[in-house]
Amino acid sequence: GAVVSQHPSWVICKSGTSVKIECRSLDFQATTMFWYRQFPKQSLMLMATSNEGSKATYEQGVEKDKFLINHASLTLSTLTVTSAHPEDSSFYICSAREVDSGGEIEQFFGPGTRLTVL
Amino acid sequence: GQNIDQPTEMTATEGAIVQINCTYQTSGFNGLFWYQQHAGEAPTFLSYNVLDGLEEKGRFSSFLSRSKGYSYLLLKELQMKDSASYLCAVMDSNYQLIWGAGTKLIIKP
Repeated sequence: GAVVSQHPSWVICKSGTSVKIECRSLDFQATTMFWYRQFPKQSLMLMATSNEGSKATYEQGVEKDKFLINHASLTLSTLTVTSAHPEDSSFYICSAREVDSGGEIEQFFGPGTRLTVL
Repeated sequence: GQNIDQPTEMTATEGAIVQINCTYQTSGFNGLFWYQQHAGEAPTFLSYNVLDGLEEKGRFSSFLSRSKGYSYLLLKELQMKDSASYLCAVMDSNYQLIWGAGTKLIIKP
């Protein structure tokens, strides 16, 4: 199946710094990418939906100025956590959507990025 | 390598019971998740198992055997709205999620 990669897989940073996470669709073009976060033993929580070339749509309660999303190409989306604080420590997962030649939609998930803010 | 195996597609009848299996081989284990995803929507969490045994939650139950690298999701009293893809995911020793490809469940009247 299609592959979605994330980089870095884990990161530790100091409070107040910014962290950028990259999400790439390796063998398909993703018109839509999703960013999720997940706290231990809890469900995935959708943060935002990102369409190539347009502004991301954020879910209620997610600060768009804090979680900057850029989807500059059909294979790359980035999430930047600005001025990170310990409460931002979480598992961030991206997902990329592919629409095949038959119009069927499939969605693939990246391996996730574990962020720890000290 | 790491891999998660689950059937690509299953068909069941409304009102019946269906069991979706998931086998895994991962470097370490920090829990297994089942998600439901309807077409065009984000996945929704169904269950999390980290210890062996059966966990029941309404019409859905999830079972785990760590020694066998095996889990199943059991859906009872199937409803048409249960038609969806069911994703199995394992969190490995690095807390990375290893995802299965998903099982598309088709419910027929």
